[in-house]
Amino acid sequence: DAMVIQNPRYQVTQFGKPVTLSCSQTLNHNVMYWYQQKSSQAPKLLFHYYDKDFNNEADTPDNFQSRRPNTSFCFLDIRSPGLGDAAMYLCATSRGGLGLAATDTQYFGPGTRLTVL
Amino acid sequence: QQQVKQSPQSLIVQKGGISIINCAYENTAFDYFPWYQQFPGKGPALLIAIRPDVSEKKEGRFTISFNKSAKQFSLHIMDSQPGDSATYFCAASEDLQYNTDKLIFGTGTRLQVFP
Repeated sequence: DAMVIQNPRYQVTQFGKPVTLSCSQTLNHNVMYWYQQKSSQAPKLLFHYYDKDFNNEADTPDNFQSRRPNTSFCFLDIRSPGLGDAAMYLCATSRGGLGLAATDTQYFGPGTRLTVL
Repeated sequence: QQQVKQSPQSLIVQKGGISIINCAYENTAFDYFPWYQQFPGKGPALLIAIRPDVSEKKEGRFTISFNKSAKQFSLHIMDSQPGDSATYFCAASEDLQYNTDKLIFGTGTRLQVFP
């Protein structure tokens, strides 16, 4: 089945220890997004890629970086995790490029729950 | 102006009842209004969506009502079932570069349907 896959599902790291979260997709979508969702809050967009073009949200901390080595994979790197970075990290994809009047549905993965000790 | 306000924060409904969740927005540039359903430990999944050129959209037991002049929209779940128990997020989107969409999510409503 075509889908959005996130690994690992649960990640525990220590304060200040770099961590990388992985997302892969079999939908062949142009756009990949990373969201942060804290407990009982709405998902918040961190950044997105259209193909290889990276688009950062203005309020995303520098501590968060991303890489997209190919169409299928996208990584979220947290350089120095703080206690406030504990959250669910959601990857999503969309086809993109459909035109202004078209609906570009986003498909979400199951998320990676990050715990910072 | 980028916010989407959602209410109530939580909702308890008896099986067979109607669940109603409301959202409001300010940005008139928003042109797409999806609702996402999220079960614990899972990512959000698209439930139903509407564009502002229609006032209502129905899919099975789920209906979106849209009031463009009031800048409000709502989700109605008819004949609510225990399996509908989940967190529901409304969202609004604006076009980004490359004709993709930026979703602005509401704060979520936790729905519990009791037998």
